[in-house]
Amino acid sequence: EVQLVESGGGLVQPGGSLRLSCAASGITFSSYWMHWVRQAPGKGLVWVSRINSDGSSTDYADSVKGRFTISRDNAKNTLYLQMNSLRAEDTAVYYCARFEYHSGYYYFDYWGQGTLVTVSS
Amino acid sequence: DIQMTQSPSSLSASVGDRVTITCRASQSISSYLNWYQQKPGKAPKVLIYAASSLQTGVPSRFSGSGSGTDFTLTISSLQPEDFATYYCQQSYSTFLTFGGGTKVEIK
Repeated sequence: EVQLVESGGGLVQPGGSLRLSCAASGITFSSYWMHWVRQAPGKGLVWVSRINSDGSSTDYADSVKGRFTISRDNAKNTLYLQMNSLRAEDTAVYYCARFEYHSGYYYFDYWGQGTLVTVSS
Repeated sequence: DIQMTQSPSSLSASVGDRVTITCRASQSISSYLNWYQQKPGKAPKVLIYAASSLQTGVPSRFSGSGSGTDFTLTISSLQPEDFATYYCQQSYSTFLTFGGGTKVEIK
């Protein structure tokens, strides 16, 4: 059974830092691109960042570029999101998700349960 | 970035109704369009990928159509478990974007 389990969320003051983790099991983690997607309370889904299978290529949404860093440890089957200089608008549930490739198309087929990050003083 | 616009933002329907949700892209995305269902407090679940391909295990009452800029998700006969929020998402661009969501509520 595929499982993605996020951890590391919590309450942090503006300007603070947090590191999220996403532990994968039941999949060949090192074969897949992985993403972070967030959802502010009562709002829609927003893509945050992605990393390729070996960790050599990353991309970020403009809203987090320069503040967030995505990384992975394939030996530990774990994805990370280092979040620095946090702002109130970063408050959201953060999901990790696997990017599946099928017949030339990509889509998110497995998601974690989400971890809540609250930025507030 | 490619903007994805869904309509309506919410709708009320009864069990057994046929429901249609539309999604429009700000530029052509070929068939790089996915649909997700999300229930409160839960992670999204993929229903349709590549505009019209049904994900394994998803009931056949769900279908998707369209290409280019205009896409449709159809639920042929709404069931009680289908009351949820639905999102489209483009995977044409490196910078993925989602529609704003359509909340399907019980009439």
